[in-house]
Amino acid sequence: AQKVTQAQTEISVVEKEDVTLDCVYETRDTTYYLFWYKQPPSGELVFLIRRNSFDEQNEISGRYSWNFQKSTSSFNFTITASQVVDSAVYFCALSEAVGRGSTLGRLYFGRGTQLTVWP
Amino acid sequence: NAGVTQTPKFRVLKTGQSMTLLCAQDMNHEYMYWYRQDPGMGLRLIHYSVGEGTTAKGEVPDGYNVSRLKKQNFLLGLESAAPSQTSVYFCASSYDMYEQYFGPGTRLTVT
Repeated sequence: AQKVTQAQTEISVVEKEDVTLDCVYETRDTTYYLFWYKQPPSGELVFLIRRNSFDEQNEISGRYSWNFQKSTSSFNFTITASQVVDSAVYFCALSEAVGRGSTLGRLYFGRGTQLTVWP
Repeated sequence: NAGVTQTPKFRVLKTGQSMTLLCAQDMNHEYMYWYRQDPGMGLRLIHYSVGEGTTAKGEVPDGYNVSRLKKQNFLLGLESAAPSQTSVYFCASSYDMYEQYFGPGTRLTVT
């Protein structure tokens, strides 16, 4: 069963628009971690955020913000006032607690959302 | 401090050829992982290691072998390459299993 679902395959916006990338996850664990990674056209994976399951406080970092809602198993990512440099593939990922049948902290990745920001 | 490095960056193989991808980390991490990334599939775990001399299978291990003879190195081998192994391969390492540091990736094409 897919543990992380990113239903939006591609999103296109015009510069300065706000955009939200959706992430829905599935786990039986009470302890887990959620991540967002950015993959720009150059191909490397850039770590953006890690959130543990006990911390539902939303986080803001500059133009980036994350909304974690356990009630809906969602960890959505919003970019405010998008810029061309935000164009990338964004991955949401889940890591389950060690010793609960998981593969030692392996990351389960969603299929990614390709964000294109037009000037 | 180079972090996680991967060698080579690009490679083209013919079906049936073999090769080894090298991952090296200088952060003294115990845990290392090999993932492959295919279009529209996200990253999938091939093999992983929890320490020097130990390896284990991940989600898609068939056709690959790994070795962790030294703590800082994690090798991924393809004994007989197939076109289905055309992919981008990422290595990652981790200190606490919850935050992984990724290498730059190796783009492999098998013709």
